[in-house]
Amino acid sequence: AQSVTQLGSHVSVSEGALVLLRCNYSSSVPPYLFWYVQYPNQGLQLLLKYTSAATLVKGINGFEAEFKKSETSFHLTKPSAHMSDAAEYFCAVSDPRYGGATNKLIFGTGTLLAVQP
Amino acid sequence: DTAVSQTPKYLVTQMGNDKSIKCEQNLGHDTMYWYKQDSKKFLKIMFSYNNKELIINETVPNRFSPKSPDKAHLNLHINSLELGDSAVYFCASSQGLGAFKETQYFGPGTRLLVL
Repeated sequence: AQSVTQLGSHVSVSEGALVLLRCNYSSSVPPYLFWYVQYPNQGLQLLLKYTSAATLVKGINGFEAEFKKSETSFHLTKPSAHMSDAAEYFCAVSDPRYGGATNKLIFGTGTLLAVQP
Repeated sequence: DTAVSQTPKYLVTQMGNDKSIKCEQNLGHDTMYWYKQDSKKFLKIMFSYNNKELIINETVPNRFSPKSPDKAHLNLHINSLELGDSAVYFCASSQGLGAFKETQYFGPGTRLLVL
């Protein structure tokens, strides 16, 4: 069974500092991996996804993530944090053997990012 | 021009009541989902539908009954509400079958509180 683990339920950074949110996955096959962001009282929005093309994936709002098979990781980074980045971030995995409506996204437990002025 | 919309946004009700949550997407997607997010922010899929057909039915009490009148709508009816049903329920949609790397688009959520 697939799963993702997000290390650190809360991360606090200063404005302008590097953001690093960790995600490790467990999967019997090369997975597809996603990062979603949830702003307060809103639904989830896709930041970026890895679907077996380039291992370094660039997303919206200056975020990027690198798929490292040897480390089973898909950490999310941003060089310089903005106050507007404060939100909950979810890593998710899906099994490429299952298509469309049969495909379940398995979410991690989320990391709450706080950005200090 | 909201892509995925849900009503109501907030729902406060008593134990034992029956309630419904509605979801509509205007993206032309074939597949829709219901997720439950608990108080610890853990998000878990409940159901998925493709073109009005139930595809995924996770281990959810049969008090929860999804209904899809057409591919743009997926409603969730909950009978005999319990305290443990209190959560945020998210509707989502994606393009369709065969594309397992698709983006899912989420609605704003319905915050259900059972007293």
